[in-house]
Amino acid sequence: DAGVIQSPRHEVTEMGQEVTLRCKPISGHDYLFWYRQTMMRGLELLIYFNNNVPIDDSGMPEDRFSAKMPNASFSTLKIQPSEPRDSAVYFCASSRGLARNEQFFGPGTRLTVL
Amino acid sequence: AQSVTQLGSHVSVSEGALVLLRCNYSSSVPPYLFWYVQYPNQGLQLLLKYTSAATLVKGINGFEAEFKKSETSFHLTKPSAHMSDAAEYFCAVSDRTNTDKLIFGTGTRLQVFP
Repeated sequence: DAGVIQSPRHEVTEMGQEVTLRCKPISGHDYLFWYRQTMMRGLELLIYFNNNVPIDDSGMPEDRFSAKMPNASFSTLKIQPSEPRDSAVYFCASSRGLARNEQFFGPGTRLTVL
Repeated sequence: AQSVTQLGSHVSVSEGALVLLRCNYSSSVPPYLFWYVQYPNQGLQLLLKYTSAATLVKGINGFEAEFKKSETSFHLTKPSAHMSDAAEYFCAVSDRTNTDKLIFGTGTRLQVFP
């Protein structure tokens, strides 16, 4: 298996622009997680899905952030409009079954908002 | 609510020396506990996990951790550090009765000097 795939790996955009981050989980995994990592706040869980259904989005910072999972092999995290404080590394992770099972992380998308 | 505390944001050791990274947890019920490692510019990888079997858990790359309920600790150790162990290490907890989320600590950056 290719592991969790994220695109793009790097994104540089200007404040106010829409940003879409993409994730392909490992085939057969039924949980998908979106995290954000910054120096100041560490690793934060933004939202997670089970069987394509959002379960907990309490970590989503504000209405500018939205996430979708239209099918078992694809998810997006959208920021509209983007702001400089959104600059971070965004990770997607997937797992099979409950939280006691290993989460497999993608390589991350480094987002810079100018 | 469950949480983890990692003592020491930076740890430096010489090659061949003992590695000890500290993690204390807070959970209302016996937790699942994890150590993940993040190498530069990569996503997190699972090192080892405790899910109520043996209290001494062995992981990859010679790492191990011991679950001590009386001390609410899950410290990570390796007898002899290697240059390739330089990375950031995250302790995480999942509450068995709560959700499927992992709560990550703030991370400890390990430096290994020759």
